[in-house]
Amino acid sequence: DVQLLESGGGLVQPGGSLRLSCAASGFTFSSYAMSWVRQAPGKGLEWVSVIGTSDGSTYYADSVKGRFTISRDNPKSTLYLQMSSLRAEDTAVYYCARNAWLEFWGQGTLVTVSS
Amino acid sequence: DIQMTQSPSSLSASVGDRVTITCRASQGIRNDLGWYQQKPGKAPKRLIYAASSLQSGVPSRFSGSGSGTEFTLTISSLQPEDFATYYCLQHNSYPYTFGQGTMLEIK
Repeated sequence: DVQLLESGGGLVQPGGSLRLSCAASGFTFSSYAMSWVRQAPGKGLEWVSVIGTSDGSTYYADSVKGRFTISRDNPKSTLYLQMSSLRAEDTAVYYCARNAWLEFWGQGTLVTVSS
Repeated sequence: DIQMTQSPSSLSASVGDRVTITCRASQGIRNDLGWYQQKPGKAPKRLIYAASSLQSGVPSRFSGSGSGTEFTLTISSLQPEDFATYYCLQHNSYPYTFGQGTMLEIK
C-alpha cells in the first residue's frame, strides 16, 4: 500500500526556519513527481509546490516563492520542504502527496508560526 | 494564474438526495481537473481524476463531467458517509489552484 508519512512540524517564531520531511513507501518513489499542499486552520486547501522525478524541476506558489525549497532524496524515498522566513500566515497543516495531481496524500504535519 | 470558482460554498441535503457541485475555471484547462473529499481532521482523498475518471475504490455513486472551463461533481444518492467538504483542483498550469470548497451538510 502507498504510504506517505510527514514529520518535522512544530512551533516556530516568525522569521524562523523549519524543514518538513515526507517518508514514502509502497511504491517506486523515484518514478513519481511529489507535491506539498497546505491548509490553514479552518480554511481551504492551498497548493504549495511540486518537484519532478529525475530532472528535479520545481514549481512554487507565489506565496512561498523565494522562501520555501522543495527537494527529494530518491535513495531514501523522502521528500523535503525547507521553509525559511516563516510568517504567521504560513501556519497550516502541510500535506505531501504523490505526483503532481495529488493522487495519494499523507496525514499531514502542523506548522505553527507564532511568537 | 487560473482561478477556480466553486459553487455552492455550502449545501444541505438529505440521505438519498442527488447533489451537484460545480467548478468553473477562469480559462480553459482541457480535462486537467480532479475532485477531492475531505472529512474533518483527515487528509483529502481523491475521488475523480481527469475530470470524469473514477478513482479506484471510490463508489460509483460519484461521477464527474466537464471539459474546458465548466466541471461538475455529482453524487447520485447521498450516503451518510458522504457528508464532507469537497474541492476541485486544476492541474493544467502552474501554480495549480483549488476551488474554495463545498461543505456538504446533513439537512
